[in-house]
Amino acid sequence: GEDVEQSLFLSVREGDSSVINCTYTDSSSTYLYWYKQEPGAGLQLLTYIFSNMDMKQDQRLTVLLNKKDKHLSLRIADTQTGDSAIYFCAESDSGGYQKVTFGTGTKLQVIP
Amino acid sequence: DGGITQSPKYLFRKEGQNVTLSCEQNLNHDAMYWYRQDPGQGLRLIYYSQIVNDFQKGDIAEGYSVSREKKESFPLTVTSAQKNPTAFYLCASRGWDEQFFGPGTRLTVL
Repeated sequence: GEDVEQSLFLSVREGDSSVINCTYTDSSSTYLYWYKQEPGAGLQLLTYIFSNMDMKQDQRLTVLLNKKDKHLSLRIADTQTGDSAIYFCAESDSGGYQKVTFGTGTKLQVIP
Repeated sequence: DGGITQSPKYLFRKEGQNVTLSCEQNLNHDAMYWYRQDPGQGLRLIYYSQIVNDFQKGDIAEGYSVSREKKESFPLTVTSAQKNPTAFYLCASRGWDEQFFGPGTRLTVL
């Protein structure tokens, strides 16, 4: 079955860039997502990328996809204390009705 | 405002009782999902529904039941058969590309 893996924890200094990594096993993954979860809240969709893309940039966020290695990364430029949260990587092999598989989440701690 | 609502935000249950968690969406999405999140862990899929009057078991469906009588609504019942129900429950709906989440319900069994 599908599997999505992430490192559990990342600590960065305010103003530095953060890079959160994710690997997945499903070679038919079509949609790859990044979500942010703050304490006690639901998940907020940050961005997503199609498998036929290598990169997507949205303001401070840059997503890189290496489809050959099944590796996805999220780079947050100029990391702020408000970026402290848990970040989830997720994948789905099609749009619409199919289920989405989530990683275990990476807790990002931003040190002032 | 378009979005997904869950109620209640906090729910307490005595052992042996069934409880129902509400999930409503006005995004006109066909697909809806229930996930369970335990402390320090990722999301595990309980049930999902691709269309009204149809639903499929996810990875941890035992002790849970759902219904999908309306497109907008996908309630989850946590039954007394669920041995360890204390968790954070998240509902989601999905358009073709994007999956959106509700704010969650924290269930505590006393």
